[in-house]
Amino acid sequence: GNSVTQMEGPVTLSEEAFLTINCTYTATGYPSLFWYVQYPGEGLQLLLKATKADDKGSNKGFEATYRKETTSFHLEKGSVQVSDSAVYFCALRRNTGNQFYFGTGTSLTVIP
Amino acid sequence: EPEVTQTPSHQVTQMGQEVILRCVPISNHLYFYWYRQILGQKVEFLVSFYNNEISEKSEIFDDQFSVERPDGSNFTLKIRSTKLEDSAMYFCASSASTSGPNTGELFFGEGSRLTVL
Repeated sequence: GNSVTQMEGPVTLSEEAFLTINCTYTATGYPSLFWYVQYPGEGLQLLLKATKADDKGSNKGFEATYRKETTSFHLEKGSVQVSDSAVYFCALRRNTGNQFYFGTGTSLTVIP
Repeated sequence: EPEVTQTPSHQVTQMGQEVILRCVPISNHLYFYWYRQILGQKVEFLVSFYNNEISEKSEIFDDQFSVERPDGSNFTLKIRSTKLEDSAMYFCASSASTSGPNTGELFFGEGSRLTVL
């Protein structure tokens, strides 16, 4: 089947710390992979994506590389800011159909 | 910037009552979705809708659920007779296409929190 597993939160970091949020997936075929972010009081927003193996998605200083050999799509940022405090969701979309599969979300709090 | 809007933001209802959650997708989008998230659990797919019909649905989307696009702008989710376990955050989403440079990007609303007592 298709599923996404991401690290449990909450995660609390000091400003300028390095961030990693782990995400692994199980999928049939070759899915596309996504990170969505939900800021307080807002809907989920696309943060970055990768559509094939070895692709690196990047946006706003965040990066994630599609690793087929380890079925992973870990989110990283070299230096977090207070404004990065949000809930981060890893997701996959099958290469056929419209259905997305999401992880449980990881809450990140960055303190000054 | 265009956005998906949802109403109400929070609804409290008694078990057995009917609930309608409303969504206005982005105007030029063609694919519409409902997802839900029970507190502390994964965001789960409910249903996708294209060309005025359901294109895909999950096993959660049983006969108690229905979706409708009553006019050119609204997309609704109806729960006929709510149960306690329907308490969740319900997210509406839309997308322009499932192929092309923006393959698979979903645009989400802020969610409607449903509390069933």
